[in-house]
Amino acid sequence: GESVGLHLPTLSVQEGDNSIINCAYSNSASDYFIWYKQESGKGPQFIIDIRSNMDKRQGQRVTVLLNKTVKHLSLQIAATQPGDSAVYFCAEAWDSSYKLIFGSGTRLLVRP
Amino acid sequence: SAVISQKPSRDICQRGTSLTIQCQVDSQVTMMFWYRQQPGQSLTLIATANQGSEATYESGFVIDKFPISRPNLTFSTLTVSNMSPEDSSIYLCSVEVAGGGGELFFGEGSRLTVL
Repeated sequence: GESVGLHLPTLSVQEGDNSIINCAYSNSASDYFIWYKQESGKGPQFIIDIRSNMDKRQGQRVTVLLNKTVKHLSLQIAATQPGDSAVYFCAEAWDSSYKLIFGSGTRLLVRP
Repeated sequence: SAVISQKPSRDICQRGTSLTIQCQVDSQVTMMFWYRQQPGQSLTLIATANQGSEATYESGFVIDKFPISRPNLTFSTLTVSNMSPEDSSIYLCSVEVAGGGGELFFGEGSRLTVL
């Protein structure tokens, strides 16, 4: 199938290590943020979200950190596995709108 | 979550023709959106599909080029009209599930190649 993110920045990590993917968002009024994972040939898959009244939220093996002061969002993946290899997008929304503005994406490669 | 089915999953189209993409959801949704993902790029919102009324288009997208229908809560279509090679993209349907936590879920996408 076609590849997604042929020209995206790439993060390469060793299997078992922790991964940190960063995102700078654009709108200081944004109050809702989502991380998506997109594997080649598939649609984006919801990973985790966070609202602006929080600065940290944890899921299964994933943590999202929000720093509103510098408009920065990060996704931490613990004990990275080969199945985590994909392109990761952050997205933002505001004013209770569900119209998402997507970041440019980061490709995560997991070395066995 | 919701199961979102898009048809066709991929197609190769001739310049100047039009193609309609269908999006069917297995549960009632409140919001439906159409996104475009050009090769190697991120996702861009085309429009919000409104049930029973005209879609709301984002800047740079117009109804004549991308007519959208949403006859009920679970079904929508996007037509890409008078296609050119620049329309070669993945077109994705996205929904917010009624009674959900506000998350937006995506279909697998329809990959169009225009020759």
